[in-house]
Amino acid sequence: EIVLTQSPGTLSLSPGERATLSCRASQSVSTTYFAWYQQKPGQPPRLLIYGTSNRATGIPDRFSGSGSGTDFTLTISRLEPEDFAVYSCQQYGTSLHTFGQGTKLEIK
Amino acid sequence: EVQLVQSGAEVKKPGESLKISCQGSGYSFSTYWIGWVRQMPGRGLEWVGLIYPGDSTTRYNPSFQGQVIMSADRSINTAYLQWSSLKASDTAIYYCAKTPEQWLISGLFESWGQGTLVTVSS
Repeated sequence: EIVLTQSPGTLSLSPGERATLSCRASQSVSTTYFAWYQQKPGQPPRLLIYGTSNRATGIPDRFSGSGSGTDFTLTISRLEPEDFAVYSCQQYGTSLHTFGQGTKLEIK
Repeated sequence: EVQLVQSGAEVKKPGESLKISCQGSGYSFSTYWIGWVRQMPGRGLEWVGLIYPGDSTTRYNPSFQGQVIMSADRSINTAYLQWSSLKASDTAIYYCAKTPEQWLISGLFESWGQGTLVTVSS
């Protein structure tokens, strides 16, 4: 099983700032099969990024993904008020798909 | 518009059985894999498994194999997740979600149901 460890657990920033969220895998992950989701309280997850760097339909271009091997990053260039949420990474390249434990992005 | 509508919240006692549902609309239900994801209180997401409604082929996370059963009725565009004997540790929100590519098995979930809260308590 590939374990995904996200850091930091909580990130406190202000609107307009840049957010950098990290996800580290316990073994190498194919960039084709790496995704990020956003989840707000009381809502289901929403797909943001797939294939490491491809934005899902309707996702603003302030969201970008990068990485390879065991280290992946989600960057939000300028935080909007609606971006404060929990972000989870996921690998789906092996027969056992796994998620990270999540990073909570909160307003400072 | 793709929609996945899940059944309502459930409160059950340990040892009871339960079947929750997920009805899809706005797309060809039979030809896209449906996944189930668990979210325990205050915890992260866990992949439960996948089912192909066209022929009910399933793939389980080994951690959930034998604990739950996934099924589907393509005639009514509905997928199910069921338990024969619930435990308190099954308390969680369960989401169904649709994969993005027709016929192709994938763990990527592009559309999600609203979630079903299952509470198991004596």
